[in-house]
Amino acid sequence: GAVVSQHPSRVICKSGTSVKIECRSLDFQATTMFWYRQFPKKSLMLMATSNEGSKATYEQGVEKDKFLINHASLTLSTLTVTSAHPEDSSFYICSAIRSINSPLHFGNGTRLTVT
Amino acid sequence: KQEVTQIPAALSVPEGENLVLNCSFTDSAIYNLQWFRQDPGKGLTSLLLIQSSQREQTSGRLNASLDKSSGRSTLYIAASQPGDSATYLCAAKKTSYDKVIFGPGTSLSVIP
Repeated sequence: GAVVSQHPSRVICKSGTSVKIECRSLDFQATTMFWYRQFPKKSLMLMATSNEGSKATYEQGVEKDKFLINHASLTLSTLTVTSAHPEDSSFYICSAIRSINSPLHFGNGTRLTVT
Repeated sequence: KQEVTQIPAALSVPEGENLVLNCSFTDSAIYNLQWFRQDPGKGLTSLLLIQSSQREQTSGRLNASLDKSSGRSTLYIAASQPGDSATYLCAAKKTSYDKVIFGPGTSLSVIP
């Protein structure tokens, strides 16, 4: 159990366009979902925390107008990278948690390349 | 501010060897600590979660311990296999509502 699906796994887009990444908890209801960014050979950097039905909480230095997060249901959160630039190219990973005592479960990540 | 470190950054061992990965955290007041595995280009797979009231957790060939007073957790892998090759990350959570702080990871290679 506790499967998190992230889609797409890879996306290439042109500079200036927007890209939407989906994160779904397939077999449980996620009270909270998290979005991370990972640079090559580096650990995960938390971008924002998303609770169903409320606004996401962004970490310091993360532009909320650039990285739009929507958590419309207990099983789906989306991250939209707006007006993408080459420096937004990165590996984005989501995670979900069933309750505060539960382990984090991660999606397989999305490799974004902006040309 | 909680900081999490992992030593060594990389480790290479022959198949069959038992090994220990180390995780240190600066603030001993943690809620739980979780160990993950990450394969190249993939997300993270949860291995073991230790609550602050627990001292260890076991799953198959994996055993994770937690010593809050010394700010340390170890992940013990018995009889290592080439399929264990991956990056292992630990992550500490300070309170039930806090974000999780990740260590930089240990890259493990098990040589056949």
